Amino acid sequence: QVKLLQSGAELVKPGASVKLSCKTSGFTFSTSYMSWLKQVPGPSIEWIGWIYAGDGGTNYNQKFKGKATLTVDKSSSTAYMDLSSLTSEDAAVYFCARDWGGFDYWGQGVMVTVSS
Amino acid sequence: DIVLTQAPLSVSVTPGESASISCRSSKSLLSSKGITSLYWYLQRPGKSPQLLIYQMSNLASGVPDRFSSSGSETDFTLKISKVETEDVGVYYCGHRLEYPLTFGSGTKLEIK
Repeated sequence: QVKLLQSGAELVKPGASVKLSCKTSGFTFSTSYMSWLKQVPGPSIEWIGWIYAGDGGTNYNQKFKGKATLTVDKSSSTAYMDLSSLTSEDAAVYFCARDWGGFDYWGQGVMVTVSS
Repeated sequence: DIVLTQAPLSVSVTPGESASISCRSSKSLLSSKGITSLYWYLQRPGKSPQLLIYQMSNLASGVPDRFSSSGSETDFTLKISKVETEDVGVYYCGHRLEYPLTFGSGTKLEIK
């Protein structure tokens, strides 16, 4: 069955970067779009962007350009998101999701805490 | 950006009764292809969101037919018939008409 397994919780210092991973199985990753989303207590969900695993093409929410960088490794069916220059505003739970005309499968989410 | 406004903020329902959640869009979600680009998700406590409804009225795989959705180009309603305890959580509407994709702020469903 379809699985999206995200890496564990992160505690990072302000100004640092972090790379989150999302290992997938159970579907053809190389022809899939993968999105990343941010959820902060409130609650609210923001779409960060998607990447097409076939050719690495990306589409970012303007709000997250320069903050998030999406990549994939087709050989391991894994999607990645780099978050740079972290501030307290970036503290959140981040989800990866298969973008299949709707986010039909989601990872379990990873909490990123920004603190010195 | 398209703004999706959900109401109510929370709803408390007796098991077996029905519940309705509203989502209003700041822009028509009817695409040039004739598809209404409105989606519904449920996030159960401590879990990831799950897709319930796509393209306004289509049930996602595995979703019970107690869930239904309808609407116009800007006003939408998710109806849950015969509410069960497993329906507890936060319901979000979202659109895919244009970028950036956005979500409503959620409606919390509780059991009385």
